[in-house]
Amino acid sequence: AQSVTQPDIHITVSEGASLELRCNYSYGATPYLFWYVQSPGQGLQLLLKYFSGDTLVQGIKGFEAEFKRSQSSFNLRKPSVHWSDAAEYFCAVGADSNYQLIWGAGTKLIIKP
Amino acid sequence: DTGVSQDPRHKITKRGQNVTFRCDPISEHNRLYWYRQTLGQGPEFLTYFQNEAQLEKSRLLSDRFSAERPKGSFSTLEIQRTEQGDSAMYLCASTLEGGGGSTDTQYFGPGTRLTVL
Repeated sequence: AQSVTQPDIHITVSEGASLELRCNYSYGATPYLFWYVQSPGQGLQLLLKYFSGDTLVQGIKGFEAEFKRSQSSFNLRKPSVHWSDAAEYFCAVGADSNYQLIWGAGTKLIIKP
Repeated sequence: DTGVSQDPRHKITKRGQNVTFRCDPISEHNRLYWYRQTLGQGPEFLTYFQNEAQLEKSRLLSDRFSAERPKGSFSTLEIQRTEQGDSAMYLCASTLEGGGGSTDTQYFGPGTRLTVL
């Protein structure tokens, strides 16, 4: 069965520091992989997605993620975080053209001034 | 802005009452999804529609849950005889399947937060 693990429930980083959020998935074939961000009172917003091709994916707001098949990972990175990046971040895996996404439990990002 | 909208944004009800939530997807989107999200968890898939056809409903949490999309546009999610365990955020998303450009991206509404007393 498909599953997604986000090992870090909370991460605290200083403003301007680099960020990496971890995501590991379990899936038998090549997955569709997504990162979404959820701010309080806001809907989930897509940051980036991987379907095929280049394993380094660029997204909005300066985020990128790298698909590593050998590690079953799709970690999200940003070189320098801003206070406005404080939110909850969700990794999701899908198959069959995006039907029925399976989600991780999320990582809450806290920014220290 | 013509994003996904949900109504109401908040609903407080007493145990045993029925509730209905509405979702209006992005107008040209043919697929519509319902999810439930509880505190500290990611969204949990419930059901989805392709136009007016409900193609997957086995993940609906119990027979108290039902969803419709009668004309292939807006959708409703109904919970009958609510229980305290139904308290959660109910999310709707839509996508355009079969088109070009930015298909396969699910666009989410702001959610309806249900509290069952």
